[in-house]
Formats: sequence, structure tokens, C-alpha cells
Amino acid sequence: DGGITQSPKYLFRKEGQNVTLSCEQNLNHDAMYWYRQDPGQGLRLIYYSQIVNDFQKGDIAEGYSVSREKKESFPLTVTSAQKNPTAFYLCASSIGDRGGYEQYFGPGTRLTVT
Amino acid sequence: GENVEQHPSTLSVQEGDSAVIKCTYSDSASNYFPWYKQELGKRPQLIIDIRSNVGEKKDQRIAVTLNKTAKHFSLHITETQPEDSAVYFCVAGGYQKVTFGTGTKLQVIP
Repeated sequence: DGGITQSPKYLFRKEGQNVTLSCEQNLNHDAMYWYRQDPGQGLRLIYYSQIVNDFQKGDIAEGYSVSREKKESFPLTVTSAQKNPTAFYLCASSIGDRGGYEQYFGPGTRLTVT
Repeated sequence: GENVEQHPSTLSVQEGDSAVIKCTYSDSASNYFPWYKQELGKRPQLIIDIRSNVGEKKDQRIAVTLNKTAKHFSLHITETQPEDSAVYFCVAGGYQKVTFGTGTKLQVIP
């Protein structure tokens, strides 16, 4: 369980505020991802990074931003431009290309914006 | 882009019976098909996966079948137990992409 961590577990913010979710991994994985999970829905990809200092938009990137300054870290910022930010956010990592390898997930952060 | 459809969305079975979850995908370039299990309040975890050069794979009570021509793959759980109760996600993956199905909530009734 210590391979990939997310903090905090629960996060509460007021509407209009930016908030940053932390994701750290010690698995020496090159690739990292952020997903959003809403009730009754699958995981939707927000952003992914195959290598340090490089990242690409996923299917629902609007209103989110990321950085990948270190191999171990891939923080996600939920900006005030995200219209419906309340959700469960999952970070994941994999040894290589995101399509062809097992993804290891963090425990998730539940964000509530009021 | 890839489109993955997963059925059923909910499934209730009696303990000891079998459960089958089916998925279809649209992109013929997809070549990696993992299944993840997510227990309530926990992270998804890989339970089995299959690559496009294999038609079937089995691991104890769990098996996955793949029909590349028809673009569908299925998860089979035999002799279900209460601890199998969870949400199961199918995934279609390939180079530079991965798409999750919408999930199946499996309830095993003791």
C-alpha cells in the first residue's frame, strides 16, 4: 500500500478556490495518471504523464492542471474553472506506456466543493 | 476515440453461483485488456489481464475470454464468495491510450 500515496483523504473547499491534490509514488514508475470517479461511472482520465517535465491532456482536462517536476510526484490542481469539481480523485502509476501495463492506484482523495 | 461498453451495471448472484460480466470495445488497435476490482471505499486493483494474442486466461476462480474479431471480452467468476462483492471495471488499452468501462456492481448473496 505504500507504493503510491495521495493526500489528503478528504478535502473541503469553497467554490472559487483552487485546490491541489498530492500524489507520490516510490515504485520508480515512469508513467503517472489522474482519474476522476463519479458515482455510477467509470474512471475518466484527466491528465497523464509518461516522463518528467511532460504531460498530456486526457478526456476531461478542462478546469484542471498538473505538473511533473519529479519522477515521484504528480500533483493535480483543481481550478475554479472546473464547473463540477466535487468527486473522488484517483492517482495511478505504471511502469511504462499507459495502455499496455498494469496501473497501480493510490487510495484516492474525496474532494467536496461547496 | 475508444468506446468501452460494460454490462450489466449491477449483478446479484447467490453464493456459489457463477458471475459473468461482458465488455465490448470499438478500437481494433486495443491490445491489452485488464480487469480491476474496487471494493467499497478502496482503490481499484488488478485481478486479471489478457493481451490480444491470447484468447483465454484463467487464475483460480477467475477467467477472462477475448474475442478480437467481435471486439468483446468477458470476466467469469466461478464459485462466488461474499468477498467477491465489489465493483468490477473492464479496460481496453493500447499504445498511448486506456479506456475504462462504467463498472459492474457485483453483489454475492450468502
